[in-house]
Amino acid sequence: DVKVTQSSRYLVKRTGEKVFLECVQDMDHENMFWYRQDPGLGLRLIYFSYDVKMKEKGDIPEGYSVSREKKERFSLILESASTNQTSMYLCASSIDGITEAFFGQGTRLTVV
Amino acid sequence: AQKITQTQPGMFVQEKEAVTLDCTYDTSDPSYGLFWYKQPSSGEMIFLIYQGSYDQQNATEGRYSLNFQKARKSANLVISASQLGDSAMYFCAMSSTSGTYKYIFGTGTRLKVLA
Repeated sequence: DVKVTQSSRYLVKRTGEKVFLECVQDMDHENMFWYRQDPGLGLRLIYFSYDVKMKEKGDIPEGYSVSREKKERFSLILESASTNQTSMYLCASSIDGITEAFFGQGTRLTVV
Repeated sequence: AQKITQTQPGMFVQEKEAVTLDCTYDTSDPSYGLFWYKQPSSGEMIFLIYQGSYDQQNATEGRYSLNFQKARKSANLVISASQLGDSAMYFCAMSSTSGTYKYIFGTGTRLKVLA
């Protein structure tokens, strides 16, 4: 059974903290994605990666960075968390970026 | 630029009735994929159905069917015989086979099934 696992379901962080959101997939997928979901805005792409050590900016990369040192792991980093980064974060992976993407359970991040 | 539009923020349907969730898309790519995902209140994204742009027939998966009208650039989801468990947020999405591969999502439609 395919699996994408995000390290935390809920997270509360303080403004200015450096935050790491981890995502691991066990399907040997090349492509991994980080989305942010906000009410009325749907899912917006933050960053994606199509290979180890490769990354590309999505639509809203400001305030975020990513790391992909190993194929199965894609980390999202908030360099200095701000309250406007309070959101639901969803990680996804896909074998080819064309057919279905598989999602993790999501991390609901609150920045106070 | 690629775009997915879902114009129905919320929908109600009576249990056992059919419901159509609208999705239109915009792309200049010749080859693309269209998807529908379901997100229950628990938050996970559940893949429902996929339609390739060159597929001649509309995709079906159990009670879900995708009404694909290429000329109109629409990819509506039809749920037949609605169940209470169908109450959720539904997202339409698109992938592209040209350039870098990524998925674009719509803003979603919240469906409530009434008993």
